[in-house]
Amino acid sequence: EAAVTQSPRSKVAVTGGKVTLSCHQTNNHDYMYWYRQDTGHGLRLIHYSYVADSTEKGDIPDGYKASRPSQENFSLILELASLSQTAVYFCASSGTGGSAETLYFGSGTRLTVL
Amino acid sequence: QQKVQQSPESLSVPEGGMASLNCTSSDRNFQYFWWYRQHSGEGPKALMSIFSDGDKKEGRFTAHLNKASLHVSLHIRDSQPSDSALYFCAASSDTNAYKVIFGKGTHLHVLP
Repeated sequence: EAAVTQSPRSKVAVTGGKVTLSCHQTNNHDYMYWYRQDTGHGLRLIHYSYVADSTEKGDIPDGYKASRPSQENFSLILELASLSQTAVYFCASSGTGGSAETLYFGSGTRLTVL
Repeated sequence: QQKVQQSPESLSVPEGGMASLNCTSSDRNFQYFWWYRQHSGEGPKALMSIFSDGDKKEGRFTAHLNKASLHVSLHIRDSQPSDSALYFCAASSDTNAYKVIFGKGTHLHVLP
């Protein structure tokens, strides 16, 4: 089965600090995504990537950067963490990014910004 | 406006009962629909996909799609306590193939 691994599983950060969330997939998938989950909002797309060394903005990119150094790895970077970025973050991958592709999610990173 | 709307927000059914979850889209470009299930502390996992009008059955789960009304539903027969989870409806279109839009989810509680 498709495998997407996220680290860390949870993190506490201070306001204004830098946070990096990491994601590694062994599915040989081209597309990778970062979603944010908040109560009452479902899952919202932050950034995605379809090839190494290239990232694209999703629906809520403000305050986030992404990095795709290789096909397998995709990071989400919060340069100046804010209280409003407290949430659970999910990484996902899909094969070709086509319309009918199923997403495979990691187990999530719970981020608390104090 | 949320492009994928789910109802109800929460649903309780007795063990062995039928659970019915609903999803309506406001974007006629959406052609592909999924149901994802998320157990507490885990990531969402695809449960079923449905791309054509009509019913699709997989075991105890049946999805129904009506593209004309932009409505998709999920029916769980003989509900089990292990079915208790957060269920997401998700949709995508050919115009933005990479972008999958999720609803806010329905919390299903199966009571033993």
